[in-house]
Amino acid sequence: GQQVMQIPQYQHVQEGEDFTTYCNSSTTLSNIQWYKQRPGGHPVFLIQLVKSGEVKKQKRLTFQFGEAKKNSSLHITATQTTDVGTYFCAGGNEKLTFGTGTRLTIIP
Amino acid sequence: GAVVSQHPSRVICKSGTSVKIECRSLDFQATTMFWYRQFPKQSLMLMATSNEGSKATYEQGVEKDKFLINHASLTLSTLTVTSAHPEDSSFYICSAEGLAGGPGDTQYFGPGTRLTVL
Repeated sequence: GQQVMQIPQYQHVQEGEDFTTYCNSSTTLSNIQWYKQRPGGHPVFLIQLVKSGEVKKQKRLTFQFGEAKKNSSLHITATQTTDVGTYFCAGGNEKLTFGTGTRLTIIP
Repeated sequence: GAVVSQHPSRVICKSGTSVKIECRSLDFQATTMFWYRQFPKQSLMLMATSNEGSKATYEQGVEKDKFLINHASLTLSTLTVTSAHPEDSSFYICSAEGLAGGPGDTQYFGPGTRLTVL
């Protein structure tokens, strides 16, 4: 079946440093979605990318969808303590397969 | 915006009992709802896809007789964990997809239900 892997599994950064998580799918995806889950909370939708090579920005967050539509990345510039949480990519053609997630912790 | 609620938010039950979890789309109609399970520090795993008025489609390895799903209306789906055991303790999250349907539509997630089976 379809597998969606993310690296790294964990990332600890100093506040103000940048952060990137990478998402790789075993199959081509019709779209990729990104979610953020705070500790103890539920996934919150961040963005959806549909087009090959698409890049979208949300303030300090930059999302990219690969040309082959099999990988994606999320980059956060100048992290803040409010960025703490686990970031999941999710892709699929009819149903979502969630990635393994990257847990971000911030050192103040 | 689209809001999905779940009830209860937390439940503690004894081994062998059944627990029903409700998932409601509050301000939109959802033809499709999804049920996920998340163990601590792990990703969300899709359990089943629930379509209004038809039988749910279960993912491989998920026992349909243990996890009963009923999608009786366009705003309500229920998941019943029958004869719960400690290994069923998990965070159960539902999501709902709007009427537009089709690949790529956003799923709106409920706040989750944390089930603890003693």
